[in-house]
Amino acid sequence: ELKVEQNPLFLSMQEGKNYTIYCNYSTTSDRLYWYRQDPGKSLESLFVLLSNGAVKQEGRLMASLDTKARLSTLHITAAVHDLSATYFCAVDSFWGGSEKLVFGKGTKLTVNP
Amino acid sequence: EAGVVQSPRYKIIEKKQPVAFWCNPISGHNTLYWYLQNLGQGPELLIRYENEEAVDDSQLPKDRFSAERLKGVDSTLKIQPAELGDSAVYLCASSPLSDLLGGTGELFFGEGSRLTVL
Repeated sequence: ELKVEQNPLFLSMQEGKNYTIYCNYSTTSDRLYWYRQDPGKSLESLFVLLSNGAVKQEGRLMASLDTKARLSTLHITAAVHDLSATYFCAVDSFWGGSEKLVFGKGTKLTVNP
Repeated sequence: EAGVVQSPRYKIIEKKQPVAFWCNPISGHNTLYWYLQNLGQGPELLIRYENEEAVDDSQLPKDRFSAERLKGVDSTLKIQPAELGDSAVYLCASSPLSDLLGGTGELFFGEGSRLTVL
């Protein structure tokens, strides 16, 4: 069964700094998704990565996927307070003939002035 | 375009009472999901529908949970009777086409229904 691990689970950083969130998964998959969730709000889709080597960028966030290493990274460049949220990665799983997204536990990011 | 709509947003009930949540997916989205999100955790799939057919309900605790998606549009998730451990956020999501059928597999989530069982 697919396991998805994110680290760190909690991240406190200062504005202007760079950092990377890691997402490891345990079985073969070539589809990975990043979501953002603000407190009390829904999950907002950030990136859809559909193949090995895929790289997507939006503003100060950049996501990449290495299916051979079973690893995705979410890189934050020059963080700003508005990026404070919880970030989830989710991996497409085919298990027992059925397909579903398996989510990590999330990384709670706090950007301090 | 309207997003996924869920109601109620908040529900407080006593244990052993029944509760129901309603979801209206994005228009034209054939695939509908119910996820459970406990505090500080990622969402976990309860059930997935392709049109009106439940194609994956392996994680749904069928002794007390039930779901339906009549006519392949709106869906209802019911818990009867509710237990203390059911306190969580119940998220509904939809996608235009599952990736098994050639879609990207990207899900669009509603704002969730937060259940508190006392």
